[in-house]
Amino acid sequence: GAVVSQHPSRVICKSGTSVKIECRSLDFQATTMFWYRQFPKQSLMLMATSNEGSKATYEQGVEKDKFLINHASLTLSTLTVTSAHPEDSSFYICSAGVGGEQFFGPGTRLTVL
Amino acid sequence: GESVGLHLPTLSVQEGDNSIINCAYSNSASDYFIWYKQESGKGPQFIIDIRSNMDKRQGQRVTVLLNKTVKHLSLQIAATQPGDSAVYFCAEKAGTGGFKTIFGAGTRLFVKA
Repeated sequence: GAVVSQHPSRVICKSGTSVKIECRSLDFQATTMFWYRQFPKQSLMLMATSNEGSKATYEQGVEKDKFLINHASLTLSTLTVTSAHPEDSSFYICSAGVGGEQFFGPGTRLTVL
Repeated sequence: GESVGLHLPTLSVQEGDNSIINCAYSNSASDYFIWYKQESGKGPQFIIDIRSNMDKRQGQRVTVLLNKTVKHLSLQIAATQPGDSAVYFCAEKAGTGGFKTIFGAGTRLFVKA
């Protein structure tokens, strides 16, 4: 089956630093990648959609300068949380889409101290 | 705005009993729905999907029912097992071409041994 990985699985950083999260489709090429954020006991909220080689499309209310998305290849997308603050602490989940299907990664737990 | 939501935030069932998790959606134009299972600290796992041209679809121990008249869908789990304990989300495809997956609020299922 289609496998999506994320790295790191968890990260702790100090307030004001930037954190990069990688999302990889391991055995397929993804035409589109999606980034979600999930706060405790809440649902997954779509942050942005990205296509390889083009700028990401952000959902309403998501700051594009805060959450930088780079989709350099058909198997890799990165999300950089810039100048992270405690309120950015969350579970970040990516998914990769191909042929109308979406496959989700295992998530990255970000804790900002 | 358009959304997908759930009736019950938590559900507790006895092992071996059947579970029914409900979901209401508001976008009458939605034509594709998916149920996901999410275990603690992990990404969502696909369970079963259904298109709007169907009323019912069955998988292994799971059945999804769709009532387009009242914009309601449900997930039935037969002979619920402790391993079924998780949060269950209904989701719909949205956006141009229906390529984004938008999640509902989620229901936590507790299975008592």
